[in-house]
Amino acid sequence: GQNIDQPTEMTATEGAIVQINCTYQTSGFNGLFWYQQHAGEAPTFLSYNVLDGLEEKGRFSSFLSRSKGYSYLLLKELQMKDSASYLCALMDSNYQLIWGAGTKLIIKP
Amino acid sequence: IAGITQAPTSQILAAGRRMTLRCTQDMRHNAMYWYRQDLGLGLRLIHYSNTAGTTGKGEVPDGYSVSRANTDDFPLTLASAVPSQTSVYFCASSPGGDTGELFFGEGSRLTVL
Repeated sequence: GQNIDQPTEMTATEGAIVQINCTYQTSGFNGLFWYQQHAGEAPTFLSYNVLDGLEEKGRFSSFLSRSKGYSYLLLKELQMKDSASYLCALMDSNYQLIWGAGTKLIIKP
Repeated sequence: IAGITQAPTSQILAAGRRMTLRCTQDMRHNAMYWYRQDLGLGLRLIHYSNTAGTTGKGEVPDGYSVSRANTDDFPLTLASAVPSQTSVYFCASSPGGDTGELFFGEGSRLTVL
């Protein structure tokens, strides 16, 4: 079967850096995705990793290690608007997304 | 319409009643999905459609049905609502294939009493 784990909640300070981890177990893998979801809103796509390594996109970066079943989302120069839930999702062998429960990130001034 | 639209945004429903959540997209995406999101759980797939005229069951399909008569519309029907179907429902679409970039509607908050 498949399983995705990520921390329930994290707190960080405005201007700082935070790393949100995601570990997974799966029998089939076609990519690892990160989405952002502000409270009361729809999820929006942030990043996609299918090969090992780091993908950088502005203040956000995502890392993948397929051998370790591990990914992280790195947010730099945190802003108050980054307060949101961050959802990790893996694409299985049927090209369906399996979602983690999400990490609620709280940014403090 | 720009993107993907859901209706209603919120609804309170008596148990046993029939309810249809509407979803329309104008991006000509092949694939469409219905998810439910409950506190402490990840998004769970209810039903999906890879292309017009086809549908498939997701992780939690019981008590729900869908149809895909054309590319744009993908309604979700609860034939006889039960309190455990209280949730936030998200419709999403994607171009299809191996892309995991989904475009979500704003959600429909359903309360079944």
